[in-house]
Formats: sequence, structure tokens, C-alpha cells
Amino acid sequence: SSELTQDPAVSVALGQTVRITCQGDSLRSYYASWYQQKPGQAPVLVIYGKNNRPSGIPDRFSGSSSGNTASLTITGAQAEDEADYYCNSRDSSGNHGGKNVFGTGTKVTVL
Amino acid sequence: QVQLVQSGAEVKKPGASVKVSCKVSGYTLTELSMHWVRQAPGKGLEWMGGFDPEDGETIYAQKFQGRVTMTEDTSTDTAYMELSSLRSEDTAVYYCATGKWELYYFYLDYWGQGTLVTVSS
Repeated sequence: SSELTQDPAVSVALGQTVRITCQGDSLRSYYASWYQQKPGQAPVLVIYGKNNRPSGIPDRFSGSSSGNTASLTITGAQAEDEADYYCNSRDSSGNHGGKNVFGTGTKVTVL
Repeated sequence: QVQLVQSGAEVKKPGASVKVSCKVSGYTLTELSMHWVRQAPGKGLEWMGGFDPEDGETIYAQKFQGRVTMTEDTSTDTAYMELSSLRSEDTAVYYCATGKWELYYFYLDYWGQGTLVTVSS
């Protein structure tokens, strides 16, 4: 399967921890990357590989993976973390160097 | 630091084609793997295709094969995405983004600002 499934929406109290999950067969072979998108803006990479953060991304963002599920955790969520989050992965059903697929997206609300 | 600047919004009629450009600065296009992602209004991100440096060719999502062409002009460090036979469902914001392929993962690290393409009669 080339699909990545995410919960449509989650909410978190300010300062608390939230985990966003992404499920799909390709995640048994490949790590996910994660993107944050705020309204009217381009997506921003927040996590890639096993658990790597690009320069400028706060360390409250972390990634993990187990079986067919990848997770993005925000520890101590801030108001500015309210956004849509998308996972992305290489597609294991494709050929070598094959295609890639985004998850369905999760809207995170910080209360 | 890579910067990607895309061309402006377009309005097209059904059946027409659109060509969106993405100008690179900070690096040369030959050093990068350019990809295109679109987002319909109120919907999620959709990968359309991009350059695979291992095979040395551009690969396209099956959904768009035959309708999309991604090209590069290395003399001006500009990438292009042309989508033909437009229909209303192609109304979306189109993004260029630079990709990194690794053995066990892929990611898109720099993104353009997006180009709104509206298909309407």
C-alpha cells in the first residue's frame, strides 16, 4: 500500500505533550519526515530520518518509529505549534529510488 | 542557504496547460534534487514528482504520468513544472521543494512560496 494514515485532529493543552501518529506499510522500510504547515504558508520540515531536526527547529519536536507507525511528539506544546502536520515517506511499493507519499494530515490545536 | 522563488498566480481554462517556474538561489540547480508538491484548497499535500539522483531521471507520481513534465534550465537555475489538460480538480497551490534521498528516508528541506493555479471556465 502507498497510503499513510493520520488522525484528522488532535488537541493539547498549552505546555503539555502531544503525539501525532502516521501509519502505513512503507514505514516498515523507511523513516518518515514531518512537516508543519500554518495557514497560508508553505510547509516547513521539522523532523527527518530516525530523529533529526533541521537547524532552527526547537528541541521540543522529536520523532520515533515502530513497526508500521511513525510518531511526531511535541513536548511542552506552545501556542505557535498550532498548525497542520504531515508525514511523508518513500513508497516501498515503488521501484528502487521509487516514489513518495504524504500522510493525510493532522490538525493540532493548542488549548 | 537555498532560496526558491516561484512565479505568480495563474488562471487557466479547462483543457489548457500551465507552466510554473521556480528560481533557485544560494545553490546551483545541478546540486539539488527538485520536487513538486501540490495542495488543493482545504486539502492535504500531494507529491507530484521529482528528480531521483540515483537513477539520474525525473520520476512522476502515477496519478500525473502523461500529464506533467518537470524540466530544468541550468543556465538560469530555474526549474519548471508543466501540467496539461487542466481540469477544475487541478485548482491548487503548487510548491517546488528541494529533496534529499537517503538510504532509509527522504525529505524536502527547502520550499518555494507556492503558486496558486486556478482552473475555471
